[in-house]
Amino acid sequence: QKEVEQDPGPLSVPEGAIVSLNCTYSNSAFQYFMWYRQYSRKGPELLMYTYSSGNKEDGRFTAQVDKSSKYISLFIRDSQPSDSATYLCAMSLTGANSKLTFGKGITLSVRP
Amino acid sequence: NAGVTQTPKFQVLKTGQSMTLQCAQDMNHEYMSWYRQDPGMGLRLIHYSVGAGITDQGEVPNGYNVSRSTTEDFPLRLLSAAPSQTSVYFCASKPFGGSGNTIYFGEGSWLTVV
Repeated sequence: QKEVEQDPGPLSVPEGAIVSLNCTYSNSAFQYFMWYRQYSRKGPELLMYTYSSGNKEDGRFTAQVDKSSKYISLFIRDSQPSDSATYLCAMSLTGANSKLTFGKGITLSVRP
Repeated sequence: NAGVTQTPKFQVLKTGQSMTLQCAQDMNHEYMSWYRQDPGMGLRLIHYSVGAGITDQGEVPNGYNVSRSTTEDFPLRLLSAAPSQTSVYFCASKPFGGSGNTIYFGEGSWLTVV
C-alpha cells in the first residue's frame, strides 16, 4: 500500500458544480497536509495548507483533514473553467522536515 | 523577484550522455530539493539540501548527483542518462523552519532520453 492514495480520475464536471477531491494515507505521523494545483506545463502551486485535523476555508476552497480516518478532502464550490488543472495532495511529518509525500494527482476539467 | 528558476526548460539527450539541470532561487531559502514527476506516479523526491554544503538522498536518488556550494544554486546532474530518466523535473525551495510548510516550485524541466 502506498503511503498516500488519491482518486485516479480524470474528473469532468459542469461549471458551477461542487467538486470533492480526496486522499487517504497510511502514516498516522503525518502532521501537515497540503493541496497543490498544477496547470498544464507549470509547476505545482500551493492552494491550501492545514496543520493536523480540522477544516480550513479560503474563498471557494475548503480543505478538511480527518486524522482519525486518515482522510483529507478538498472541496471546490461554484467551480469555474479556470479551476481546470491537476490537483495533488501532499503531506509531511513536520514543518521543518519538508520532505513531502505526494498523491498521484487528479486531473479536473470544468466544462463551461 | 524571480523565485525559483530552472534551466533548461526542454532537453533531449541520448542514452549515456550526461547533463546538468540548473536550479537557482533568489529568496535566500535554506532548503532546496529536486522532484521528478511521471504519469501515474505523482512527484517523487530525488535529492534535497538543508543548506550550503549539505545534501541528502530522497526516494529515488539512483542515477542522479547533486551539490550545494551556495545558498542560491542546487544543480542536478545526470551521470549517464537512461530512457527511464525521461521525466519532468521540478526544483523547489523553502525557508527552513517557520510555522507554515510552503514550498515554492520552479516551472519544470522536460527531459527526454532517447
